[in-house]
Amino acid sequence: DAGITQSPRYKITETGRQVTLMCHQTWSHSYMFWYRQDLGHGLRLIYYSAAADITDKGEVPDGYVVSRSKTENFPLTLESATRSQTSVYFCASSESNRHSTRHGYTFGSGTRLTVV
Amino acid sequence: AQSVTQLGSHVSVSEGALVLLRCNYSSSVPPYLFWYVQYPNQGLQLLLKYTSAATLVKGINGFEAEFKKSETSFHLTKPSAHMSDAAEYFCAVTQTDFNKFYFGSGTKLNVKP
Repeated sequence: DAGITQSPRYKITETGRQVTLMCHQTWSHSYMFWYRQDLGHGLRLIYYSAAADITDKGEVPDGYVVSRSKTENFPLTLESATRSQTSVYFCASSESNRHSTRHGYTFGSGTRLTVV
Repeated sequence: AQSVTQLGSHVSVSEGALVLLRCNYSSSVPPYLFWYVQYPNQGLQLLLKYTSAATLVKGINGFEAEFKKSETSFHLTKPSAHMSDAAEYFCAVTQTDFNKFYFGSGTKLNVKP
C-alpha cells in the first residue's frame, strides 16, 4: 500500500541496547522527519532530512542517529537506549518545494518504544 | 523563532455543545498554521490549515478555525460536539519557506454523553 509505514509498532528493549526504528514512504517525498511524543511536551523534532544523504538535527537529537541512503527510507537508531527515550516516535514526510509547506506533513502510525 | 501555545491540556464538553480549542502562536514572519487530530493509538491527521488565503478556514468533520493576526491566535471550533470528536488535537506553525513544523503540547478533548 502507498503511504508512510513505521515498524515496529511496539518495541520493548533494555537499557544500553541499540534499537532501530524504521520509516518507509512511497511518495518520493524529499523531506522526512522524526518526532517523539511525550506527555506534556507534544511533538518534538529529533532529526530531519531534506533529501537522500542530507540530514540535520532538530530540537532533541542527543542519543539518536539517523541515516538516509535512499529517499524512501529514514531509519532512526538509538545507539544505547536509556529510559528517558521511552516514548512514542512518529515519522513524517512532506514534499520539497516551498509551496508544499502549505500541505503539511503526512504522518506514520507511530512506534511505541519502552526502554526497561 | 516560532512557537505554539495551546491553552488547556484537557477540555471536556457535552455532546452537542460548542467545542473551542485555543492556540496562540509566535512567529517573526507570516506563518502557516495547522491543526492536526490524533485518535488513540494512531498517527496525526491533518484537520485544517491556514496558508494566507481566507482567514476563516474550514476543515474536515465540521471543524473550522479563524486566523486572527492581531491576537496571534488560531483557535479551533466546532458548533456541536460529537462523541467521535474525542481525540487529542495539536496546533502547529511553520513559515512559508521553511519545512520544519513546531507543535503545541496538545489538547485532549473529552466528549460527555
